[in-house]
Amino acid sequence: DSGVTQTPKHLITATGQRVTLRCSPRSGDLSVYWYQQSLDQGLQFLIQYYNGEERAKGNILERFSAQQFPDLHSELNLSSLELGDSALYFCASSVGREAYEQYFGPGTRLTVT
Amino acid sequence: AQSVAQPEDQVNVAEGNPLTVKCTYSVSGNPYLFWYVQYPNRGLQFLLKYITGDNLVKGSYGFEAEFNKSQTSFHLKKPSALVSDSALYFCAVRGVYTGGFKTIFGAGTRLFVKA
Repeated sequence: DSGVTQTPKHLITATGQRVTLRCSPRSGDLSVYWYQQSLDQGLQFLIQYYNGEERAKGNILERFSAQQFPDLHSELNLSSLELGDSALYFCASSVGREAYEQYFGPGTRLTVT
Repeated sequence: AQSVAQPEDQVNVAEGNPLTVKCTYSVSGNPYLFWYVQYPNRGLQFLLKYITGDNLVKGSYGFEAEFNKSQTSFHLKKPSALVSDSALYFCAVRGVYTGGFKTIFGAGTRLFVKA
């Protein structure tokens, strides 16, 4: 168990809808990272927050947004969902902001129908 | 461009034999390199990292990796494979971008260890 928690484990929704994925980092970790894992694209970095502020941005679509709250948990919001957004979404955390080793949560499997 | 390549989609090895999972990288500046493992229906687990120092890095579960600067490689090794090592292995590099760092993952190599 990495100490990173993600909810929900599974999410099934329809095209055009909006969902929110939640992540709680390991105790003491200030950075949260979001990744998307799909069969065709592999593991893609979406965004990093450090202590409440956006630190680095990857291949995140404009329909997606994230934030990190004062208690350091983070939410990833996905809107206007398309079939191609179906994937595993992972949250990871680390102590610092410099993207050293990261500790991954169990993931949220999103299915868009 | 900063990138990671894992040239093998799959590696098959018999239990008790040594295993190697290959990784090559391209990065600006000094490389910060990582290996992660993913078991079915689980998140990735950190195995080991190279930041600086000794080229042979030891990690969790008996794994080690050898950093080779001239060949820009960071191959994962284990002297004696276990059936329980069967999983998906990812090599990663920390890339430097304007304003920060991003971790770039390879496509993954599936390891099958046969009893």
